[in-house]
Amino acid sequence: GQQVMQIPQYQHVQEGEDFTTYCNSSTTLSNIQWYKQRPGGHPVFLIQLVKSGEVKKQKRLTFQFGEAKKNSSLHITATQTTDVGTYFCAVGSSNTGKLIFGQGTTLQVKP
Amino acid sequence: DAGVIQSPRHEVTEMGQEVTLRCKPISGHDYLFWYRQTMMRGLELLIYFNNNVPIDDSGMPEDRFSAKMPNASFSTLKIQPSEPRDSAVYFCASSLDLRDRGQLKQFFGPGTRLTVL
Repeated sequence: GQQVMQIPQYQHVQEGEDFTTYCNSSTTLSNIQWYKQRPGGHPVFLIQLVKSGEVKKQKRLTFQFGEAKKNSSLHITATQTTDVGTYFCAVGSSNTGKLIFGQGTTLQVKP
Repeated sequence: DAGVIQSPRHEVTEMGQEVTLRCKPISGHDYLFWYRQTMMRGLELLIYFNNNVPIDDSGMPEDRFSAKMPNASFSTLKIQPSEPRDSAVYFCASSLDLRDRGQLKQFFGPGTRLTVL
């Protein structure tokens, strides 16, 4: 079945440093979503990318979808302690309503 | 909108006991998903329903697990008998069927933290 690999698994940064997590697939994706899960919380939808080469921004967060639609990235500029949590990518199936989640990248930010 | 509601929020039980987790999806949503999250295995899809009908239960670990959705506003996940390795956070999520617009955004409930002693 369809799988996505997400790297790195963990990232520790100093507050103010940038952070990037990557999601890769061996197959072409119809779309990709990103979710954030705060410690002790539940995954919360951040954004969806659909078009090849698409770039979307939400304040300090920049999301990219690769030209070949096989990879995606989430970049956080100047991290803050509020960015702490686990970031998941998820790919939607074109035939079903389900999502396949990546393993997640857990971000720790040292103040 | 109250969002996806799950109960109980925490459950501690002894091995061999039956456990029932409950979920109320967002009104009007077509899909309901049950996930299990552990440190070792991450976020796993157990089963999902479309319009109350189970579509894919291939993620259900074994026969001890069962799920039902008797109506559009309620679903249960049952474990009988429970085992210590079932300890995890169980999430319910729901979504609208907007695949024609490429949208499969899922809304997660707060989760049930299950501990089996």
